[in-house]
Amino acid sequence: EIVMTQSPATLSVSPGDRATLSCRASQSVTNNFAWYQHKPGQAPRLLIYDSSTRATGIPARFSGSGSGTEFTLTISSLQSEDFAVYFCQQYNNWPLTFGGGTKVEIK
Amino acid sequence: QVQLVQSGAEVKKPGASVKVSCKAFGHTFTSYYIHWVRQAPGQGLEWMGIIDPSGGTTNYAQKFQGRVTMARDTSTNTVYMEMRSLRSEDTAVYYCARGGIRGISMNWFDPWGQGTLVTVSS
Repeated sequence: EIVMTQSPATLSVSPGDRATLSCRASQSVTNNFAWYQHKPGQAPRLLIYDSSTRATGIPARFSGSGSGTEFTLTISSLQSEDFAVYFCQQYNNWPLTFGGGTKVEIK
Repeated sequence: QVQLVQSGAEVKKPGASVKVSCKAFGHTFTSYYIHWVRQAPGQGLEWMGIIDPSGGTTNYAQKFQGRVTMARDTSTNTVYMEMRSLRSEDTAVYYCARGGIRGISMNWFDPWGQGTLVTVSS
């Protein structure tokens, strides 16, 4: 099974600042890779698929990059509604696997 | 609007079974795979399996084979996930999520259901 490792576990950021989240796969997943946002008590929301394509309705401040084993989610200027847990997913191999999540909190 | 609506929270005793439903709205039910994912307290997300609502074909994560059954009812656009022989470690929020269109079983998930908390406690 492909292990997805996210870093850091917690990221403290001030509103308006840039946030950079990382996810590493234990083997190549090419660009079959997604990012999600998850807020307490809500359904997870798809942000990015195919490594860098924004999902419908996702603001341009969210961007994804990477391929193979190293991936990055960048939030260019954090808004209050962006404080949440972010997790990554590979869909290149069975079983589909997720990272452990990065919590983005207010500094 | 594409939406998945799950059944409500459940409390079960160890050894019992639970059946969680996931009703789809806003898309052709038989055209997209549905996945089940769970998240135990303080843990990451764990993929459980996939069902093709068209033919009912399933593929389960090895960990859940023999203990989980996924099924669908095309008359009500509903998918079900049943887990048997529950233990305390199965306490988690269970999510359904729409995957790819038929023919693309490995895909991102969009949208997700709101989640169903299953608590296993004596």
